[in-house]
Amino acid sequence: DAKTTQPTSMDCAEGRAANLPCNHSTISGNEYVYWYRQIHSQGPQYIIHGLKNNETNEMASLIITEDRKSSTLILPHATLRDTAVYYCIVRVRNNAGNMLTFGGGTRLMVKP
Amino acid sequence: SQTIHQWPATLVQPVGSPLSLECTVEGTSNPNLYWYRQAAGRGLQLLFYSVGIGQISSEVPQNLSASRPQDRQFILSSKKLLLSDSGFYLCAWSVAGTAHLDFFGQGTRLTVV
Repeated sequence: DAKTTQPTSMDCAEGRAANLPCNHSTISGNEYVYWYRQIHSQGPQYIIHGLKNNETNEMASLIITEDRKSSTLILPHATLRDTAVYYCIVRVRNNAGNMLTFGGGTRLMVKP
Repeated sequence: SQTIHQWPATLVQPVGSPLSLECTVEGTSNPNLYWYRQAAGRGLQLLFYSVGIGQISSEVPQNLSASRPQDRQFILSSKKLLLSDSGFYLCAWSVAGTAHLDFFGQGTRLTVV
């Protein structure tokens, strides 16, 4: 699986948009970009994923660059409950044998 | 809807004692099942995965073993715990044939003393 690079930590003011970047310059053509988050002492929570096109759901938006070498997760109106570690992962979707590997992630601190 | 149950939530065990963590999934059939471990301040490490009853694949050599006695049941075990086995253990599942993980359990925090 391709390696990802994320900033170690970020701060965001409550109510503002949180933009979390991720670099994945060695991504392969069949690898998806996944985002998860983990609130302290809980299991990771799936947020969103995409291949080429930008994606949006009720939680967030995912912006993938045209060359697919980087992406940005956008939380449009961050709340205190969005404080968590956010993981960016790239991998092939249809392969149960080589599972998701979570790196260090970005620790997002939403401040009042 | 699908749910995943993992227990216990916390566990304190002495060195050398056995371990059994259980995970069950409801609302789906033939899921892929996974055990992860997260050491303090670290990312998640895949320990075992299973694509069917009795089928277990191990990602790293360790003091642990896994079993899948039923389609929706996944058990993590150890005969003799080590101090280094302390950590946060997570069970997860995905739809058969994919690695698209939608669901993680709430985790078990194991402290070996």
